[in-house]
Amino acid sequence: QKEVEQDPGPLSVPEGAIVSLNCTYSNSAFQYFMWYRQYSRKGPELLMYTYSSGNKEDGRFTAQVDKSSKYISLFIRDSQPSDSATYLCAMSQNDYKLSFGAGTTVTVRA
Amino acid sequence: SAVISQKPSRDICQRGTSLTIQCQVDSQVTMMFWYRQQPGQSLTLIATANQGSEATYESGFVIDKFPISRPNLTFSTLTVSNMSPEDSSIYLCSVVGGASDTQYFGPGTRLTVL
Repeated sequence: QKEVEQDPGPLSVPEGAIVSLNCTYSNSAFQYFMWYRQYSRKGPELLMYTYSSGNKEDGRFTAQVDKSSKYISLFIRDSQPSDSATYLCAMSQNDYKLSFGAGTTVTVRA
Repeated sequence: SAVISQKPSRDICQRGTSLTIQCQVDSQVTMMFWYRQQPGQSLTLIATANQGSEATYESGFVIDKFPISRPNLTFSTLTVSNMSPEDSSIYLCSVVGGASDTQYFGPGTRLTVL
C-alpha cells in the first residue's frame, strides 16, 4: 500500500464547474499538507499549504484536511481552461521530506 | 518565493556516461532536496542536500549512483552516474527557507538515456 493514494483520473469538466480532488494517506505522522499544480514540462507550483484540520481558502481554491480520516481535498471553484494541469497532493512530517500522490490530470473544457 | 534555476533543462545521454545537474537559488535557503519524476509517475525524494556535509539518501538511492554536492546555501549539484535507460526521468531540486517554510521546486531537468 502506498503512503499517499490519489486517483490519477483523468478528470474532465466544463468551464465554470467545481473541480474536486482528494487524497488519502496511511501515515498518521504526517503533519503538513500541500497541493501543487504542474503544467506539462514544468516544475510543480505550490498552490496551497496547511498544517491543521479544517478548511483553508485562497481565491478560487479551498483546501480541506481531515486528520481523523486521513483525507485531504482540494476544490477549485469557477474552473477555467487555464486550470488544466496535473494536481499533486503532498505531505510531510516535520522534516520537509515530501511524499506525493500520483497526481490527478484535470482538463477544463471551454 | 525563491527563484530556482536548473541546468541543463534537458539532455540526451548515452548509457554508461554521467551527467551533472546544477540547481541555483537566488537567495540563501535552509534546505535543498533532489527529487525524481519518472515517466507517468509522481515525484520521489532522492536525497537531502546538506550544506558542507554528505547528503542524506532515501531508501533505494545510493551515493555512488547519485553523488550530491552542496558547497553553499544557494547551490547544489546532482550527478547521475553510469546511466542506463531506467534513469530517464525528470530531476527536480526543491528548496525550503528564506521567508517561509514552504517548499518550492525548480523547473526540472529532463534526462533521456539511450
